[in-house]
Amino acid sequence: EAGVAQSPRYKIIEKRQSVAFWCNPISGHATLYWYQQILGQGPKLLIQFQNNGVVDDSQLPKDRFSAERLKGVDSTLKIQPAKLEDSAVYLCASSLAGLRAQFFGPGTRLTVL
Amino acid sequence: AQKITQTQPGMFVQEKEAVTLDCTYDTSDPSYGLFWYKQPSSGEMIFLIYQGSYDQQNATEGRYSLNFQKARKSANLVISASQLGDSAMYFCAMREFTGNQFYFGTGTSLTVIP
Repeated sequence: EAGVAQSPRYKIIEKRQSVAFWCNPISGHATLYWYQQILGQGPKLLIQFQNNGVVDDSQLPKDRFSAERLKGVDSTLKIQPAKLEDSAVYLCASSLAGLRAQFFGPGTRLTVL
Repeated sequence: AQKITQTQPGMFVQEKEAVTLDCTYDTSDPSYGLFWYKQPSSGEMIFLIYQGSYDQQNATEGRYSLNFQKARKSANLVISASQLGDSAMYFCAMREFTGNQFYFGTGTSLTVIP
């Protein structure tokens, strides 16, 4: 069974530029999560999808971050414009419904200069 | 209140010894799941073990076991016979049936000493 796929693995941009990350969850997983993990901290949930509907986006900085999950499968997370403090690893995870584990992708390490 | 509390920022253990990583949680939902993840320096989050709130027995997965004390709301991870490859960050997490959200602790950095 293929795991969660993410791309790109690394991205370096200058502040005020835009960037997009892509995630393909494990087949059949209805729930998809995007996390931001700053070095030395735990993951912070940005947005959670159930199929293609948003369950929780309370911590998503909506003035610059956006995310979509078309057709309830792949998802993209966009930052526009980026700030220095957005430098972090962006993790995508997916899970089945109910009390099931999340499985994570390898992450995208973003550096904003 | 914090949903998940991990009070040990860093831990050291001698190779081949056992180590316990602490985790306490807070929920009023009677149905929930508890999880432990390992994050090595490579950055990938690896699922280790799961304990359901209605499970009567402590979960075990190879060298990992979860010491579940429901009344105390604790879910400590026990790693037996530590190996050098166990050096990593360990995160405790909880998922409530109501709300379907995941909550992560701040993590414990484990270093295995040869």
